[in-house]
Amino acid sequence: GDSVTQMEGPVTLSEEAFLTINCTYTATGYPSLFWYVQYPGEGLQLLLKATKADDKGSNKGFEATYRKETTSFHLEKGSVQVSDSAVYFCALSAGGNEKLTFGTGTRLTIIP
Amino acid sequence: DAGVIQSPRHEVTEMGQEVTLRCKPISGHDYLFWYRQTMMRGLELLIYFNNNVPIDDSGMPEDRFSAKMPNASFSTLKIQPSEPRDSAVYFCASREITEAFFGQGTRLTVV
Repeated sequence: GDSVTQMEGPVTLSEEAFLTINCTYTATGYPSLFWYVQYPGEGLQLLLKATKADDKGSNKGFEATYRKETTSFHLEKGSVQVSDSAVYFCALSAGGNEKLTFGTGTRLTIIP
Repeated sequence: DAGVIQSPRHEVTEMGQEVTLRCKPISGHDYLFWYRQTMMRGLELLIYFNNNVPIDDSGMPEDRFSAKMPNASFSTLKIQPSEPRDSAVYFCASREITEAFFGQGTRLTVV
């Protein structure tokens, strides 16, 4: 079945550091890929998405590129801020199936 | 639109009691999802609906759980009887095309 594997957390970085959170997937067909973010006490919010191979999703300084050859969708940001502290979820929606399959989430903490 | 609205935000109940969680999706969205989030198991899809019809309930943990969507603007998730292991945050989400929008969740504590 479809599955998402993402980097184990928690991850702690200093402000202005470079961020990478790894995500790989297994799916039938050609999935759409997503990163969601969850701030404390809130629901998940869509951060960015990519719907076909080689697409790059970007938002708020975050980027992720859909790599079909490596079945990956790694999240990156060049300079993190304290306000980026949250839990990040990689997810996919595959083969016309409307449900989202989520990874386990990575808790990110940015220290000043 | 106010987004996906869930109620209550917090619920504390005693083991054996019936619990009903409520969700109002975003108007015009034809998919509705119920998820459960725990530290141990992460985010689990419990059930989802398309145009008010249940499509996949394979994630519902057992017969104590039931979900309904009587119309396009309302859904409920019921647990009867509740058990301490049901303690979790329950999220409702509705979807348009490729993006799912989540409610703020209901934190359920069963004591």
